[in-house]
Amino acid sequence: GQNIDQPTEMTATEGAIVQINCTYQTSGFNGLFWYQQHAGEAPTFLSYNVLDGLEEKGRFSSFLSRSKGYSYLLLKELQMKDSASYLCAVRDSNYQLIWGAGTKLIIKP
Amino acid sequence: GAGVSQSPSNKVTEKGKDVELRCDPISGHTALYWYRQSLGQGLEFLIYFQGNSAPDKSGLPSDRFSAERTGGSVSTLTIQRTQQEDSAVYLCASSSSRGGRETQYFGPGTRLLVL
Repeated sequence: GQNIDQPTEMTATEGAIVQINCTYQTSGFNGLFWYQQHAGEAPTFLSYNVLDGLEEKGRFSSFLSRSKGYSYLLLKELQMKDSASYLCAVRDSNYQLIWGAGTKLIIKP
Repeated sequence: GAGVSQSPSNKVTEKGKDVELRCDPISGHTALYWYRQSLGQGLEFLIYFQGNSAPDKSGLPSDRFSAERTGGSVSTLTIQRTQQEDSAVYLCASSSSRGGRETQYFGPGTRLLVL
């Protein structure tokens, strides 16, 4: 079967750095997405990785290792507004998006 | 420019009634996805349209669910004989591919409550 694993919940301190991991087992691979979702709102696109390596975009970076079936989202200089769920999703060989259940990130002052 | 829009934003219906949800993707986006998200749960893939190709319906939970995309743009998701377990937020997303970089945008969702 196809599976996306990410931690259910993480806690971090304002101003610190946090890394959210995602591991996947899918039928083929056509890219990995990270989304941010605040409670009661639709997800918003953060990043897309299709090649191995690190993609940096402001305070957020995303890393991919296809051989390990592994990605992480790195958030720097955490702000209170970063408190949200972070969703990892992988597009398989049929271009179907397989979604993780999301990681709830709690930021404490 | 305008983002993905969905209507209605909220829908309350009685068990057994049919409902129709609408999605207007971003102009020029060739791919369109429907998902649903139950309270506190992850996103569940429903159906995927790409250009003029036959849609990928593998995520539809039952034959009560159907979707169409007219003219490669607007899409409607129809749920027949609604059940209480159909209550969820139904999300639509559209995407384009520019030079190999993927960009995907979600609509605000339709909150469906089946009584």
